[in-house]
Amino acid sequence: DTGVSQNPRHKITKRGQNVTFRCDPISEHNRLYWYRQTLGQGPEFLTYFQNEAQLEKSRLLSDRFSAERPKGSFSTLEIQRTEQGDSAMYLCASSTGQEPFYGYTFGSGTRLTVV
Amino acid sequence: AQSVTQLGSHVSVSEGALVLLRCNYSSSVPPYLFWYVQYPNQGLQLLLKYTTGATLVKGINGFEAEFKKSETSFHLTKPSAHMSDAAEYFCAVVRIQGAQKLVFGQGTRLTINP
Repeated sequence: DTGVSQNPRHKITKRGQNVTFRCDPISEHNRLYWYRQTLGQGPEFLTYFQNEAQLEKSRLLSDRFSAERPKGSFSTLEIQRTEQGDSAMYLCASSTGQEPFYGYTFGSGTRLTVV
Repeated sequence: AQSVTQLGSHVSVSEGALVLLRCNYSSSVPPYLFWYVQYPNQGLQLLLKYTTGATLVKGINGFEAEFKKSETSFHLTKPSAHMSDAAEYFCAVVRIQGAQKLVFGQGTRLTINP
């Protein structure tokens, strides 16, 4: 297992278009997290999954955002009708969800630029 | 609720000098604390973590941090800076029950001068 994989690494899209990102977590990790990081800021929590169930969503996740983890393996994050304010790095992370808690393993992120 | 404050958005040191990055946290429960490093256009890499036990924790690349409950601090240090240490550093706190969401500080950009 090579860690958490995110695709694509970079995405440039025109305002109003839809985009979808994919995250493949570490295979034995039950929990999967999405974070958003804007320039000069720390990552902010968007949502997380325990297996296939989406258990919590941040208020940052507007109606234009949707995330899925259909079989408890990979996850997708879709943004509809993109806006310039959506430009950010989208980070995926996974963990076992068990204690002791050792932290997450992060992917390399998908950098979205909306023009 | 938990929060993290990193004092100083930019820190600049000379190569070979001491690195000190400051982090203060707020938590209503005993915290788990983390330092992550991020290189340009990369994800976050775990440097070190404090969970329980010894309050001085050692991490990768010669970094260490000390958990001081009385000061609600978890400052990151390295005795001698190397050019390769130039990066963004994030302190984070987590409540281990429930969602185990990491709450990050705003980050400190470390610049190393030759």
